Amino acid sequence: QQQVKQSPQSLIVQKGGISIINCAYENTAFDYFPWYQQFPGKGPALLIAIRPDVSEKKEGRFTISFNKSAKQFSLHIMDSQPGDSATYFCAASMTNQGGKLIFGQGTELSVKP
Amino acid sequence: EAGVTQFPSHSVIEKGQTVTLRCDPISGHDNLYWYRRVMGKEIKFLLHFVKESKQDESGMPNNRFLAERTGGTYSTLKVQPAELEDSGVYFCASSHLPGEGHTFGSGTRLTVV
Repeated sequence: QQQVKQSPQSLIVQKGGISIINCAYENTAFDYFPWYQQFPGKGPALLIAIRPDVSEKKEGRFTISFNKSAKQFSLHIMDSQPGDSATYFCAASMTNQGGKLIFGQGTELSVKP
Repeated sequence: EAGVTQFPSHSVIEKGQTVTLRCDPISGHDNLYWYRRVMGKEIKFLLHFVKESKQDESGMPNNRFLAERTGGTYSTLKVQPAELEDSGVYFCASSHLPGEGHTFGSGTRLTVV
């Protein structure tokens, strides 16, 4: 019930294309859903986050789509660039349980020029 | 503001030895978390401090792991004695409030040989 499942494990996209990464969760008590971007040798960096009372959030080229009834959320990267090549993690947390993050397995994104 | 700092960045130790990892969170962040990523798997929660108190240590693997947070400032994670399966990247993260995004350090890559 605490799991977050992420797919695909790896993704190759051409420059200018749309990258889509999907996550699914079971626990309806989760109330915070962040996406993290990680470059080699660095720690995960918060990219964008959403709460379940909103169905979509956009920040620049990055958009989270959230489907509460399906218990799914996804990250869309528009106009993907080679600099977006990184590992992306979705996560979920519950504020009333201290906010610890439950992570998905990660997606290695490669954007080809 | 300075980010989350972790030391050392890499550590190679022999099985049975002791290693101490250190984390300096962002100043003023009461919430400090430890996570671990083993062999390319998902990042897993280890424990959560609120100031100097352990709020949740449900993710600690066993009693060979000991975490402390002196005076609610920096934190240490000691592994004694280290085993081969303890190898991985240990991340520290902090946040002002529990229900908001974490700021991660760059991690400590621990290799037990």
